[in-house]
Amino acid sequence: GAVVSQHPSWVICKSGTSVKIECRSLDFQATTMFWYRQFPKQSLMLMATSNEGSKATYEQGVEKDKFLINHASLTLSTLTVTSAHPEDSSFYICSAVGYNEQFFGPGTRLTVL
Amino acid sequence: QKEVEQDPGPLSVPEGAIVSLNCTYSNSAFQYFMWYRQYSRKGPELLMYTYSSGNKEDGRFTAQVDKSSKYISLFIRDSQPSDSATYLCAMRNGATNKLIFGTGTLLAVQP
Repeated sequence: GAVVSQHPSWVICKSGTSVKIECRSLDFQATTMFWYRQFPKQSLMLMATSNEGSKATYEQGVEKDKFLINHASLTLSTLTVTSAHPEDSSFYICSAVGYNEQFFGPGTRLTVL
Repeated sequence: QKEVEQDPGPLSVPEGAIVSLNCTYSNSAFQYFMWYRQYSRKGPELLMYTYSSGNKEDGRFTAQVDKSSKYISLFIRDSQPSDSATYLCAMRNGATNKLIFGTGTLLAVQP
């Protein structure tokens, strides 16, 4: 089946630093990937749509300068949380579109101290 | 009003019970309906994917879509403790791959 990986699976960083999260489609090509954020006991909130070779489309209320997205190839999208603060601590999940379905990565837990 | 409404639970049932999970939606443009299962601290995994109104069965799972009532359901037969997870409904229209999720229902199946 279609597999999506994320790296790292968890990260702890100091306030003010930047963190990069990778999302890879392992056995299929994905022109579209999505980035979500999920707070404890809440649903997935779409942050942005990442399209290979073009700029990401951000949802309302999501700061594009804070959450930098780069979809450099058909199998890799990256999310960089710049100048992270404690309120950015969350579970970040990516998904990749393949075979007309969305396949989700295992998530990355970010903790900002 | 949210586009997709889902009872957050939690829902606790004994092993072997039939579980019914439901979502309602307001956007009549939604055409594709999905159910995802999410274990704690993991990404969602796709359980069922339906397009039209009616029933779709896969093992112990049955997905039901009623477009006229804007109502979808997931039934789990002979529930097992390993079914304990959060179940999320999701849907989209035909023009985009962007999914709209329900809030998720936390299910606990007691052995």
